Amino acid sequence: QQQVKQSPQSLIVQKGGISIINCAYENTAFDYFPWYQQFPGKGPALLIAIRPDVSEKKEGRFTISFNKSAKQFSLHIMDSQPGDSATYFCAAVYSGYSTLTFGKGTMLLVSP
Amino acid sequence: NAGVTQTPKFQVLKTGQSMTLQCAQDMNHEYMSWYRQDPGMGLRLIHYSVGAGITDQGEVPNGYNVSRSTTEDFPLRLLSAAPSQTSVYFCASRPRDAGGGEQYFGPGTRLTVT
Repeated sequence: QQQVKQSPQSLIVQKGGISIINCAYENTAFDYFPWYQQFPGKGPALLIAIRPDVSEKKEGRFTISFNKSAKQFSLHIMDSQPGDSATYFCAAVYSGYSTLTFGKGTMLLVSP
Repeated sequence: NAGVTQTPKFQVLKTGQSMTLQCAQDMNHEYMSWYRQDPGMGLRLIHYSVGAGITDQGEVPNGYNVSRSTTEDFPLRLLSAAPSQTSVYFCASRPRDAGGGEQYFGPGTRLTVT
């Protein structure tokens, strides 16, 4: 059972454009939603995270939008740059539990 | 701090061989986990530990064993390697009070089973 569904599987965006990656979850007990960024040959690294008591969190060019009623959250990358080309994973966790549930990942390519 | 370290970086095994993937962290994190990453499958949890002496199974534990004798080390053992275990393996750690999401990942071990 996949508890976090991520789309699209891959995404090509022109430099300067907006990249949008969407995730949906099923378990309403989840209370922390991080996004991880992974460059080829490297381990994933935490990019940005949000708790369900806020609808949006922004850090530089990266924004998470959260819709608790729809059980959906999304990552927006403004002014996308070639250096943003990476695989992005959304995840969800219940803080009373010790492990994360990951989406299947989105491979983003930002063309120059 | 070195963070989370994994050895080896690459490994080729023959079917039926056994080996241990090493993972160590120097951040005094209580929680450690092992994931495998396969194309189109994302990161799937194999085993995890919430402290020394305590381990539990994740989503895909079959064919793997773990133990946690110290806070720092969390080795993953492949008992009898199979081609289906060809994957990239990541170890991760986080402190107990990190709110669940702030995991630190190692650089990975790329394993090929022929």
